[in-house]
Amino acid sequence: DTGVSQNPRHKITKRGQNVTFRCDPISEHNRLYWYRQTLGQGPEFLTYFQNEAQLEKSRLLSDRFSAERPKGSFSTLEIQRTEQGDSAMYLCASSLGRDGGEAFFGQGTRLTVV
Amino acid sequence: EDKVVQSPLSLVVHEGDTVTLNCSYEVTNFRSLLWYKQEKKAPTFLFMLTSSGIEKKSGRLSSILDKKELFSILNITATQTGDSAIYLCAPGRGGATNKLIFGTGTLLAVQP
Repeated sequence: DTGVSQNPRHKITKRGQNVTFRCDPISEHNRLYWYRQTLGQGPEFLTYFQNEAQLEKSRLLSDRFSAERPKGSFSTLEIQRTEQGDSAMYLCASSLGRDGGEAFFGQGTRLTVV
Repeated sequence: EDKVVQSPLSLVVHEGDTVTLNCSYEVTNFRSLLWYKQEKKAPTFLFMLTSSGIEKKSGRLSSILDKKELFSILNITATQTGDSAIYLCAPGRGGATNKLIFGTGTLLAVQP
């Protein structure tokens, strides 16, 4: 499968625990995005990488969230001290380096904080 | 602040009907507008529009962009139950702040 891959697909965690998600983009795509989606809403932008550089981070993102893309390939999104409000689908997408080019999404990681 | 408004929020039709979904936007440094279909999982790409007035078609789906009036429409003809999904509109910003900004979507339900 040469599409965007996300792991795990589902994660249930207790409030206060840390979680980490992984995204493997399409191999030739240099742009990688993280979005969060809750029921009844469209995806909400979290952060964006061009190669290994994190170029933008949503101001809605608290300090408990951090993302990395150390070698410009896969990326990780970590949430520290999870809260119930963090429960959502976390989506990763990748695209080629054209401005406004189409982004392709992975299947997402569904996080449930209990 | 960037804004994307989709209408209607939800729509119920019968198989064979034609539907038109609307998307209006206000986005800084606009580059393109993308349409996605979302069923139970992640959004799947439908169209990318960059030029005004040029219709893009894929089977029963078509879409067009008006950059002067800042809106786009997605048409689906001869709807089928498999078209039931959320349709998301996403204007894309260019440059260093490249990203897609999503609307809340239109929930389409096609009844047999």
